[in-house]
Amino acid sequence: DVVMTQFPLSLPVTLGQPASISCRSSQSLVYSDGNIYLNWFQQRPGQSPRRLLYKISNRDSGVPDRFSGSGSGTDFTLKISRVEAEDVGVYYCMQGTHWPYTFGPGTRVDIK
Amino acid sequence: EVQLVESGGGLVQPGGSLRLSCEASGFTFNNYWMHWVRQAPGKGLVWVSRISGDGSSTAYADSVQGRFIISRDNARNTVSLQMTTLRAEDSAVYYCVRGGIDYWGQGALVTVSS
Repeated sequence: DVVMTQFPLSLPVTLGQPASISCRSSQSLVYSDGNIYLNWFQQRPGQSPRRLLYKISNRDSGVPDRFSGSGSGTDFTLKISRVEAEDVGVYYCMQGTHWPYTFGPGTRVDIK
Repeated sequence: EVQLVESGGGLVQPGGSLRLSCEASGFTFNNYWMHWVRQAPGKGLVWVSRISGDGSSTAYADSVQGRFIISRDNARNTVSLQMTTLRAEDSAVYYCVRGGIDYWGQGALVTVSS
């Protein structure tokens, strides 16, 4: 199985400041169609996961533009340009290229 | 509006069985793969199973292979997960997820305990 790692696992941030989460896969996530199926999810306390970004950098409908994604091959990054209180939660990267799909361990974002 | 509503969770003894169902609405159901993903209390997300839009193709995580069966009824817009020989480590919230991994249900809690 593809192993997804994330860094850091805990991220205390100051409101209004930027935040960045790294995600690395144990093998290339380039699918046979040329796409990279790397998604980012947010899970707020007590809620189901919500997809924020798909195929590295495409924002889902309703996702604020302060969220952005980048990366290629095996290294990816989620950035929040200015953290707001509603951004508190756990963020997961997930690869959908190889079965079984696998998630990173999650990065807990909270406010300092 | 896309909605996924799980049902069937509960408390079951080790070795027992349980059937989860997920009713979908707001999209053309048979056009999508459907998945089950679980999350043990305080833990991360783990893929369990998936089924193709016409039900002809299925796949399972190694941890549930041979014990869980995924199925769907496209006439009723439902996907089900039949779970047998349940173990304590199967205790989790089980999420129904639309293919594309874009929409998630609210989850169904399964607790395996004597």
